[in-house]
Amino acid sequence: DIQLTQSPSSLSASVGDRVTITCRASQDIRNDLGWYQQQPGKAPKRLIYDGSTLQSGVPSRFSGSGSGTELTLTISSLQPEDFATYFCLQYNRYPRTFGQGTKVEIK
Amino acid sequence: EVQLVESGGDFVQPGGSLRLSCAASGFTFSNDWMDWVRQAPGKGLEWVANMKYDGSEKYYLDSVKGRFTISRDNAKNSLFLQMNSLRAEDTAVYYCSRYLGDWGQGTLVTVSS
Repeated sequence: DIQLTQSPSSLSASVGDRVTITCRASQDIRNDLGWYQQQPGKAPKRLIYDGSTLQSGVPSRFSGSGSGTELTLTISSLQPEDFATYFCLQYNRYPRTFGQGTKVEIK
Repeated sequence: EVQLVESGGDFVQPGGSLRLSCAASGFTFSNDWMDWVRQAPGKGLEWVANMKYDGSEKYYLDSVKGRFTISRDNAKNSLFLQMNSLRAEDTAVYYCSRYLGDWGQGTLVTVSS
């Protein structure tokens, strides 16, 4: 199975900060990766697919980059509604696997 | 607007069975792969199974193979997950998803004695 390791596992940041979350894969997944945001008690919401394609309706402050074994989610200017948990998901191989999550908290 | 509504979650004893349903609307259900993903309380997300639009391909997480069966009824725009021989570690909110892009609100399955 492909292991996805997200870093950091949690972070504290302020409104307006630039935030970067990394997802490292145990093998090459090309850009077959999505990024999701999950608010407490809610279903995940996809932000990015195919590594860098912004989901329709998602603010442009979210961006994805990278390919192969290291992919990154960047929030250019953190907003109050962005405090949540973020997950990466690979769909290059079965079984699909998720990263363990990154909790973004208010500093 | 895409809508996915799961149902069928319940409290069940170990070894028991449940059948989850997902009613889909707002898109051409018969054209899309569909997935089930679960989330144990306070834990991360875990992909469970998926199925091709015509039912010709199905894939499962190893830990549910032989116990869970994914199926669909394209005439009724519905996705199903038959869960047998349930274990405590199957306790989770189960989400259905279209292409892992659109998600339902989830249904809670609790396996406990």
